[in-house]
Amino acid sequence: SQQGEEDPQALSIQEGENATMNCSYKTSINNLQWYRQNSGRGLVHLILIRSNEREKHSGRLRVTLDTSKKSSSLLITASRAADTASYFCATDVMDSSYKLIFGSGTRLLVRP
Amino acid sequence: DGGITQSPKYLFRKEGQNVTLSCEQNLNHDAMYWYRQDPGQGLRLIYYSQIVNDFQKGDIAEGYSVSREKKESFPLTVTSAQKNPTAFYLCATRGVSTDTQYFGPGTRLTVL
Repeated sequence: SQQGEEDPQALSIQEGENATMNCSYKTSINNLQWYRQNSGRGLVHLILIRSNEREKHSGRLRVTLDTSKKSSSLLITASRAADTASYFCATDVMDSSYKLIFGSGTRLLVRP
Repeated sequence: DGGITQSPKYLFRKEGQNVTLSCEQNLNHDAMYWYRQDPGQGLRLIYYSQIVNDFQKGDIAEGYSVSREKKESFPLTVTSAQKNPTAFYLCATRGVSTDTQYFGPGTRLTVL
């Protein structure tokens, strides 16, 4: 079952611009996480935001969470060509299983 | 990817054969997970294990089997009952004091 749906599916921007991607989910969560995947590689954890948090920063990343709308956004500021990758949101649902449910991802292309 | 190894990186299987994918970790993490990723899609959970000698089915367990005899190892067998096994398989681990998952580099399985 796919809980998270990401928007847009693909995004192409110029180096130096900001990239925003959104994630919507369906059920109550403990936390929401964002992961990055370079082509053909494993996923790398970027940032985690808990259900009682509204905003979190890590370097050039800014994540927001709106539990009333069941949505999150990931903002990458001052993008670089090296940011080209797929980005996935994953929700840790409130069932004590510690399973993550992944969205379908946003493919980001940063043009040099 | 550090601390989690998956082998082989590429695997080719003839129809009707069982194959086993290896996942080994030296992170001393209790929980381990197997995911399947199809092209352009997110991750779907196959099986997970939160402790040695115990494991649970994920969302798409049919045609797969696992074992967890050691903390460090969580092999996945793709059986002939899995009708469409061509995909990218990712193993992940999670420590007891963290909500994030750490991913291996993946195995790409192709059925000939």
